[in-house]
Amino acid sequence: GAGVSQSPSNKVTEKGKDVELRCDPISGHTALYWYRQSLGQGLEFLIYFQGNSAPDKSGLPSDRFSAERTGGSVSTLTIQRTQQEDSAVYLCASSQWTGRLVYEQYFGPGTRLTVT
Amino acid sequence: DAKTTQPTSMDCAEGRAANLPCNHSTISGNEYVYWYRQIHSQGPQYIIHGLKNNETNEMASLIITEDRKSSTLILPHATLRDTAVYYCIVRVNLATGANNLFFGTGTRLTVIP
Repeated sequence: GAGVSQSPSNKVTEKGKDVELRCDPISGHTALYWYRQSLGQGLEFLIYFQGNSAPDKSGLPSDRFSAERTGGSVSTLTIQRTQQEDSAVYLCASSQWTGRLVYEQYFGPGTRLTVT
Repeated sequence: DAKTTQPTSMDCAEGRAANLPCNHSTISGNEYVYWYRQIHSQGPQYIIHGLKNNETNEMASLIITEDRKSSTLILPHATLRDTAVYYCIVRVNLATGANNLFFGTGTRLTVIP
């Protein structure tokens, strides 16, 4: 079946511009995560959505970062006034969630953001 | 979440078993051991997880020591497509709240023809 998809696959933007990154999770997955991965580094957690609950924003690095998830499915990560240090691969993951068991996360291919 | 220690890199001959170690000496009783891998330019891929018992699936086997302070991921017959960075992660499974994954730097496995 279809996996997690992300768009665009690559984005080059000028410093100071806003960008929007999109994630389409696997159908039926109620949990959705955003991570970012800087060159040669491990994953950094950004934000977590679960159903209709308030998102866990504890990983967002600054107030320039925000995310929303409409209708419990598609999610958009927005970065305002981009800085060069925002350059990274932004990864989205989704998983099932029953409240009793926790399932593995399925990752999308990522969006490579380059801020010039 | 408990910290994990993995070798930076390993090589394995194609067709041989790849044994990737992970130390997690501060693991607590309710923390699971997860393994993910990341092939170049792709998103991470789930491999396997376990709590106490050894586990096996179509991709790999996970051997956890009796004291749970270390584990080994075994790829029984490594292929060139198994070349990737392998991440060992320990964490609790929460019924509520974010179960976000913390990936360290992992082990870069290179399968050699």
